[in-house]
Amino acid sequence: SQQGEEDPQALSIQEGENATMNCSYKTSINNLQWYRQNSGRGLVHLILIRSNEREKHSGRLRVTLDTSKKSSSLLITASRAADTASYFCATAPKNTGNQFYFGTGTSLTVIP
Amino acid sequence: KAGVTQTPRYLIKTRGQQVTLSCSPISGHRSVSWYQQTPGQGLQFLFEYFSETQRNKGNFPGRFSGRQFSNSRSEMNVSTLELGDSALYLCASSLDAASSRETQYFGPGTRLLVL
Repeated sequence: SQQGEEDPQALSIQEGENATMNCSYKTSINNLQWYRQNSGRGLVHLILIRSNEREKHSGRLRVTLDTSKKSSSLLITASRAADTASYFCATAPKNTGNQFYFGTGTSLTVIP
Repeated sequence: KAGVTQTPRYLIKTRGQQVTLSCSPISGHRSVSWYQQTPGQGLQFLFEYFSETQRNKGNFPGRFSGRQFSNSRSEMNVSTLELGDSALYLCASSLDAASSRETQYFGPGTRLLVL
């Protein structure tokens, strides 16, 4: 399977702390995207990082990509209760058109 | 712009029935993908349509099919429903994903329960 894996599966932190989640994948990719999903609802796109980029920022989000290790990390700084959600990475492998492979997800709980 | 819309939002069917789900992409988006999400298997790619043609297909049985209309709206159909088809079905659209470099925007999903 080309599905990625997130680590950890679940994470619980206090409001104001930083949250880091990791994603590993198996094949060469065009890009990697992170999504958030609140309690069984649709996915919200957070950030896209291309294979030739190493780091990207968007507000309180910081994403890194290490193509040599086939891994990415998502850092949420100064977390808020509203950040409680599941976070997924999605990879777009090369030569597969628009077929995206999602990781298993990290369930983040931010305690007020 | 309006987001991706999916109808219906909730659906209850019984085994053996068939179901049709609908997805309207963001205006101007030509690529529509479908995903199935279950607690056990996570998010799995079903198929992708672009300009009314199925361009990619995931590893699902032939009971799962889809189509795309000239206005880019898409439908997916599941025939002979099984209990294991109970899932959240998500639709995503993007501008033109020929190079898979485009962001996908997801709809709220259709939750299907098969009894």
